[in-house]
Amino acid sequence: GENVEQHPSTLSVQEGDSAVIKCTYSDSASNYFPWYKQELGKRPQLIIDIRSNVGEKKDQRIAVTLNKTAKHFSLHITETQPEDSAVYFCAASSASGGSYIPTFGRGTSLIVHP
Amino acid sequence: DGGITQSPKYLFRKEGQNVTLSCEQNLNHDAMYWYRQDPGQGLRLIYYSQIVNDFQKGDIAEGYSVSREKKESFPLTVTSAQKNPTAFYLCASSIDGTGGKKQYFGPGTRLTVT
Repeated sequence: GENVEQHPSTLSVQEGDSAVIKCTYSDSASNYFPWYKQELGKRPQLIIDIRSNVGEKKDQRIAVTLNKTAKHFSLHITETQPEDSAVYFCAASSASGGSYIPTFGRGTSLIVHP
Repeated sequence: DGGITQSPKYLFRKEGQNVTLSCEQNLNHDAMYWYRQDPGQGLRLIYYSQIVNDFQKGDIAEGYSVSREKKESFPLTVTSAQKNPTAFYLCASSIDGTGGKKQYFGPGTRLTVT
């Protein structure tokens, strides 16, 4: 099955700095790579996703890049704000019995200091 | 996300008792999922269902059971066979189980077994 590694496990930055979270995956057939943000005590929510036919996608201060050859993808947050503090999860969707099931990374706790 | 609900928010049980966690969605989604979240472990898949009356084991199905008698409902039973049941449980749904579909998460149930 798919295996997703996520680094770092904790990331501490100053407000206004950029933050980068990296994930690698093992199944070359994976075709969908979402990123979820989970604030303390709340449910995970999708913040951005990318499909295997695209190399980069941006949405305001967040961007995701995908390198299919190297099997890694990254989340970039620019001009970080305290409200960006949360746990971020990456995932890769690979086939399982005809369905595409996401496998999640272990999460990155991002702390933005004012 | 208000379209997927879980109850109760907190649940306490004695060791040796089975307990059922509720998950309901009104999004008309075909696919539903159960995840377990432990600190530093990410989201681990317990069971998933792509359609009514059908479900598949995930990575950590031992000690759990599910049913999918209605499209809207996907209850999870934590049995006494689950060796370490204390955890945060998240239910999710997506429009279907084909590749590249966003997941919507419920608010979660925190189960404590003593």
